[in-house]
Amino acid sequence: DAGVIQSPRHEVTEMGQEVTLRCKPISGHNSLFWYRQTMMRGLELLIYFNNNVPIDDSGMPEDRFSAKMPNASFSTLKIQPSEPRDSAVYFCASSILGGGLNYNSPLHFGNGTRLTVT
Amino acid sequence: GDSVTQMEGPVTLSEEAFLTINCTYTATGYPSLFWYVQYPGEGLQLLLKATKADDKGSNKGFEATYRKETTSFHLEKGSVQVSDSAVYFCALFSGGYNKLIFGAGTRLAVHP
Repeated sequence: DAGVIQSPRHEVTEMGQEVTLRCKPISGHNSLFWYRQTMMRGLELLIYFNNNVPIDDSGMPEDRFSAKMPNASFSTLKIQPSEPRDSAVYFCASSILGGGLNYNSPLHFGNGTRLTVT
Repeated sequence: GDSVTQMEGPVTLSEEAFLTINCTYTATGYPSLFWYVQYPGEGLQLLLKATKADDKGSNKGFEATYRKETTSFHLEKGSVQVSDSAVYFCALFSGGYNKLIFGAGTRLAVHP
């Protein structure tokens, strides 16, 4: 089991540039979550997918953020244009969930992408 | 809304000391409760969980008991090791919001 794989591990970009973060969930998991971690705001859920369909995107901060899950083995989180306040560690997590959210199945986190926007 | 409050860190202990990290929650209904641990440079890992009142979750020497009367889920370990140094997150599954809500995290540093 390779675990949740995120790329890149580190991303440094200039304000105004487009940033794309990538995630490969654990095979067989049907739900995928994007979190953002900062010192000020802690861990925030941005969006989650169930069976490749976005279920709750209420945590997406603004229209500059978008997420896609074209198939069960790949998801992207895009920021366009990026701003310095987007600097954070972005985590992807996957799980096996039922029709609703069943947290008897734990979330498996990737190692995160550290984004720095200058 | 539903929320989780953890004691502020950092918590600094000597090896073999007793550990308590306090966690209280606010939620409607009967949430499931969790402790996750984050080692440096890594993502969060589930440490233990409890799904109903009076349940005790345990793993790797850590324990936490779901106390409905005090809305608490304090994490304890009898004898910490240097390798336990990490950030610990208390979390609840909010049925009302249909999401996992994390506390702010508590950093633990254990010195030899």
